Amino acid sequence: DGGITQSPKYLFRKEGQNVTLSCEQNLNHDAMYWYRQDPGQGLRLIYYSQIVNDFQKGDIAEGYSVSREKKESFPLTVTSAQKNPTAFYLCATDYTGDSPYNEQFFGPGTRLTVL
Amino acid sequence: KNQVEQSPQSLIILEGKNCTLQCNYTVSPFSNLRWYKQDTGRGPVSLTIMTFSENTKSNGRYTATLDADTKQSSLHITASQLSDSASYICVVSDGSGTYKYIFGTGTRLKVLA
Repeated sequence: DGGITQSPKYLFRKEGQNVTLSCEQNLNHDAMYWYRQDPGQGLRLIYYSQIVNDFQKGDIAEGYSVSREKKESFPLTVTSAQKNPTAFYLCATDYTGDSPYNEQFFGPGTRLTVL
Repeated sequence: KNQVEQSPQSLIILEGKNCTLQCNYTVSPFSNLRWYKQDTGRGPVSLTIMTFSENTKSNGRYTATLDADTKQSSLHITASQLSDSASYICVVSDGSGTYKYIFGTGTRLKVLA
């Protein structure tokens, strides 16, 4: 899991609630990512950020929001607009350099369940 | 469309046996291919990273091969252990800077005693 922490490990949400998942890193990486993982599917990109105060939508951004006020932090808010949020959420980081050996590091994940 | 396909979806082997997992990709341009191991309920952990010029790379009992011409990769696990039970994910980077990681759906390996 390296220097990436995600909290909480488990999160339960009631219908209509917004919840925020935390991701913090001490790897000094510029880029941070949020992925959603569902059974039988590959990781799907929700949002990514390559520098502070800038972020881009991924393939499944609807119903989610993010902020990048600090290099170390990239919180993800799951809003009530996300109709099927039950999933395993993974935060990842990497360098923005051009080396083909840039490695993407993952946090331990947060499992979100809608009650 | 950039895609990464893995086979088999799941695999059961006995402890001590070898196995090979497959990854085919249609990603272009190609920057690198990596294999990750993901234990249940945990984040993926990198096993190997290969660029187009590398044919094989080892990490302990894990050996990955890459054929950039046929766009195929394999991960060979030697003398499997119970702790190898996990999902193995193939990821290809197109190096373009946007959506630069394309993930396969993974192979779920179960090693039995």
